[in-house]
Amino acid sequence: AQSVAQPEDQVNVAEGNPLTVKCTYSVSGNPYLFWYVQYPNRGLQFLLKYITGDNLVKGSYGFEAEFNKSQTSFHLKKPSALVSDSALYFCAVRALPGQNFVFGPGTRLSVLP
Amino acid sequence: EAGVTQSPTHLIKTRGQQATLRCSPISGHTSVYWYQQALGLGLQFLLWYDEGEERNRGNFPPRFSGRQFPNYSSELNVNALELEDSALYLCASSKHPGGQETQYFGPGTRLLVL
Repeated sequence: AQSVAQPEDQVNVAEGNPLTVKCTYSVSGNPYLFWYVQYPNRGLQFLLKYITGDNLVKGSYGFEAEFNKSQTSFHLKKPSALVSDSALYFCAVRALPGQNFVFGPGTRLSVLP
Repeated sequence: EAGVTQSPTHLIKTRGQQATLRCSPISGHTSVYWYQQALGLGLQFLLWYDEGEERNRGNFPPRFSGRQFPNYSSELNVNALELEDSALYLCASSKHPGGQETQYFGPGTRLLVL
């Protein structure tokens, strides 16, 4: 069975500081990992994904994520947070083509000016 | 390139009624997915269609059903509405059903059951 955990419900960071939103996963086999962001009353926007290859993946809006197979983690990072990054962030995993995405519970990021 | 579109944006129904939600995928995408996002909860997978066939179904009662049309658009039907069906319903599409394909989401339909 696939599962995704986002251990922090809420992350607060000051504008200009680096941010990290954590994600750990459990799958059988090699995972495909995704990060999405949701702004209030909106759908989800795709940020980045890991399929294979380089463990550091770069995505939209200056975000990046690091895949760590031994720790089964896929943490989202940004070197310098903006107030406009404040939103709900979802990590998702998919292990096999016939299986659907499994989303984590979401982490609310607040960037304080 | 136009994104995933959903209609209506808002829908108000009373308990026991039926609701129909519609989704148009990105042009060239064959897979359509439906999710329920209830207040305070994450995304719960509902249904997945590809090439007109139901590929997978989440842990929801049979009164949640849907279909995919030859033009790959999709419809979600919820019968015998209950108060707890009130949620944001999100549709997503992907180019192929493969595991590495990105799902792109529409803006959602907010369903309120009174």
